[in-house]
Formats: sequence, structure tokens, C-alpha cells
Amino acid sequence: DTGVSQDPRHKITKRGQNVTFRCDPISEHNRLYWYRQTLGQGPEFLTYFQNEAQLEKSRLLSDRFSAERPKGSFSTLEIQRTEQGDSAMYLCASSPIRGTSTDTQYFGPGTRLTVL
Amino acid sequence: QKEVEQNSGPLSVPEGAIASLNCTYSDRGSQSFFWYRQYSGKSPELIMFIYSNGDKEDGRFTAQLNKASQYVSLLIRDSQPSDSVTYLCAVNSGGYQKVTFGTGTKLQVIP
Repeated sequence: DTGVSQDPRHKITKRGQNVTFRCDPISEHNRLYWYRQTLGQGPEFLTYFQNEAQLEKSRLLSDRFSAERPKGSFSTLEIQRTEQGDSAMYLCASSPIRGTSTDTQYFGPGTRLTVL
Repeated sequence: QKEVEQNSGPLSVPEGAIASLNCTYSDRGSQSFFWYRQYSGKSPELIMFIYSNGDKEDGRFTAQLNKASQYVSLLIRDSQPSDSVTYLCAVNSGGYQKVTFGTGTKLQVIP
């Protein structure tokens, strides 16, 4: 399978705990994105990496959220001191840096977070 | 005003008809436009993208872009019950890689 993969697919945690999600982009894609989606809404942009550089962060990404892509390959998204309002689907997407559709993003299956 | 607007629906069409899904956007500098479909509980799947004014066809799908009027639409010909999912419009305003999504239109194809 050469698509975007995410792990875990589901996560249930108690309020106040820390959680970390992983995303592995399509292998030749240099750009990686994180989104959050709640019921009835479209995906909301959180952050964007080009290779290992984090080039854009949304104001939605509070101080409790941190994302890394240390070697320009996989990425992690950590949420510290989770709150019930963090319950959502966390989506990762990637896009190529060369070619005719360099801003076309392909999504992974998502990680569904439930904070109790 | 939302950056990308879609009617949440549901939009109901009979089987075999043409479904027309519409999307408007606020940023005149927008460069790239995308349609995704999303099954309940799943992640968005790319249907097609369009960059230039006019029509772009791919199988039963046609994307239409009118930058002067700031709208983009998706036509689905010969609609099937299996097309009954939520369709997301997404717009890239250029400069950096942030894509803004609409809230989606739920399509119901009635057998």
C-alpha cells in the first residue's frame, strides 16, 4: 500500500492525558499536512511541513499541540493535557513537490480521538 | 463570511439524473480548486481538481470553475445510489499550501 498511513486509527483517552499520533506520507511526497475534523464540519487546517520544516501553523494549534517531522519523512502530532473539546478526527495528508498537481493533497484514513 | 461555502443539503436527486453541487469562495486570489467525497466516518477521497476557468471532465464527473463569479461546481451525470455521500469543496488560495474546505454537501440519490 503506497497511500498515506496513520496510527493509531482510534484513540480513547481520559481528560488530562497526553496523546501522540503518527503519520507516514506517500513516499515521494515532500509536503505533509495535519487537519482536524469534527462532526458536520469540513477538515480544518492545523499545520504544514515541507520536508522537515514546519512552514505554517494555524491559530487553532494551541500551545498544547505540537507537531514534528524530524527527518522529513513521518510526522507526529502530540496533544498534551487533552480536553473533551479535542475529540475529533485528526487527518494527515501529503502532496508532491514536483509535477502538475503539487497542491493536490491525498489523505490518510485518520485517527479518531475520543477524550472522556 | 465563510471562506468556502457549500449548502449542507441534503441534495436529493433521482437515480440517473444529473446532480449539481455548488461551492462559492471569498478569496479572489484563489488558485486551485478541489472536490473530495467523504463517506461517513472515513477520510476525504479526491475526486478531481481544476485550475482554469471552464469545464473539466473525468468520467461521470465534471468540475466547472468561474473565477469571475467565484464559484466552482461539480456535476455528477447518471447519478447512482452509491454516489450518496458528502462532497467537500476545497480551495487553495496560493502563497502557501493551506487548503480551506467547505462544510460539505450531502447528496442523496433516490432509487
